[in-house]
Amino acid sequence: KAGVTQTPRYLIKTRGQQVTLSCSPISGHRSVSWYQQTPGQGLQFLFEYFSETQRNKGNFPGRFSGRQFSNSRSEMNVSTLELGDSALYLCASSPGLAGVGTRRETQYFGPGTRLLVL
Amino acid sequence: KQEVTQIPAALSVPEGENLVLNCSFTDSAIYNLQWFRQDPGKGLTSLLLIQSSQREQTSGRLNASLDKSSGRSTLYIAASQPGDSATYLCAVPGGTSYGKLTFGQGTILTVHP
Repeated sequence: KAGVTQTPRYLIKTRGQQVTLSCSPISGHRSVSWYQQTPGQGLQFLFEYFSETQRNKGNFPGRFSGRQFSNSRSEMNVSTLELGDSALYLCASSPGLAGVGTRRETQYFGPGTRLLVL
Repeated sequence: KQEVTQIPAALSVPEGENLVLNCSFTDSAIYNLQWFRQDPGKGLTSLLLIQSSQREQTSGRLNASLDKSSGRSTLYIAASQPGDSATYLCAVPGGTSYGKLTFGQGTILTVHP
């Protein structure tokens, strides 16, 4: 089975621009979560999607948004980029099996998208 | 609010040594605990997941233990190799928060030949 894939792998943007990152989960997985990783703050949860619905959101400003499509692929968008948005953005997928709950499942991470804001 | 702490922040050992990485968490009402490995600039690789009902989980040279009551987990690496050099992260899911993992800051491990 192919793993979690993320595109693009690297991005350079300037302040004020917006960016869209894409994540394709492992085939059959229905839950997709997004994380931001920075040297100072470590790994921080952004949001989680399941069956095209956002079920959970972390403490990030409204400039960070996301969506999930019917094939479980997910995108996240950051508008009006700031220098502090420079980070490694990781997505993770899990099966989302009925009766198990995503909280009991292993999360599988993609390679990440490295975003640099100048 | 769940907080996860990892000690030590960095560890340097000679090849062949057995070592222990520590992870502690403040809220013991967890479903499981997951250990990850991250190579520089890369994503996370899941190493082991211990369910709350388990005490130990093993995979090759890795052994993870979980003590929910004391809020602790350890990752034991036997006969370390230079290829084990990476950052090791532990994470626990939120009690009622879908998809959210709370991570420790990680332990940077260097195994020198």
